[in-house]
Amino acid sequence: EIVLTQSPGTLSLSPGERATLSCRASQSVSSSYLAWYQQKPGQAPRLLIYGASSRATGIPDRFSGSGSGTDFTLTISRLEPEDFAVYYCQQYGSSSWTFGQGTKVEIK
Amino acid sequence: EVQLVESGGGLVQPGRSLRLSCAASGFTFDDYAMHWVRQAPGKGLEWVSGISWNSGSIGYADSVKGRFTISRDNAKNSLYLQMNSLRAEDTALYYCANVHYWGQGTLVTVSS
Repeated sequence: EIVLTQSPGTLSLSPGERATLSCRASQSVSSSYLAWYQQKPGQAPRLLIYGASSRATGIPDRFSGSGSGTDFTLTISRLEPEDFAVYYCQQYGSSSWTFGQGTKVEIK
Repeated sequence: EVQLVESGGGLVQPGRSLRLSCAASGFTFDDYAMHWVRQAPGKGLEWVSGISWNSGSIGYADSVKGRFTISRDNAKNSLYLQMNSLRAEDTALYYCANVHYWGQGTLVTVSS
């Protein structure tokens, strides 16, 4: 089983600042089958990034994903008020999925 | 418009069974593997089970193996999760999903 470890657990930033979220896998994620989701309270997860770096439909270009192998990054270039939420990375390359434990981006 | 609508959740006693359903619309259901993901109150996302487009490949989390059974009916654009021998730790919001599309979830509460 591929274990995903996200860091930091919590990121305290102000609107307009840049957010950098990390996701490290215990083994290589095949074909960059790595996704990032945003979840707000009371809502289902929303796909932001798939294939490590492809933005999902309707996702603003301030969200970008990068990385390969075992190290992946989600960057939010300038935080908007609606971006404060919990973010999860996910691998979907094997027959099972795994999720990271989440990074909470909170208002400083 | 893509929709995944889960149903079948509720309050159930430990040891009892429940069957969840997920009705899909707005996309070609049998093009996709489908999964169940759960989220306990205040916790993160946990993958439960997945099934390939033709039901040829099925997987389960260790925490539910031997108790839960996933299935699908492509003719009805539907996904199912049969949950037996339920435990308190199965209490969660259960989502039907593929990578791109997620439902809103159905709540399962296991309590006496």
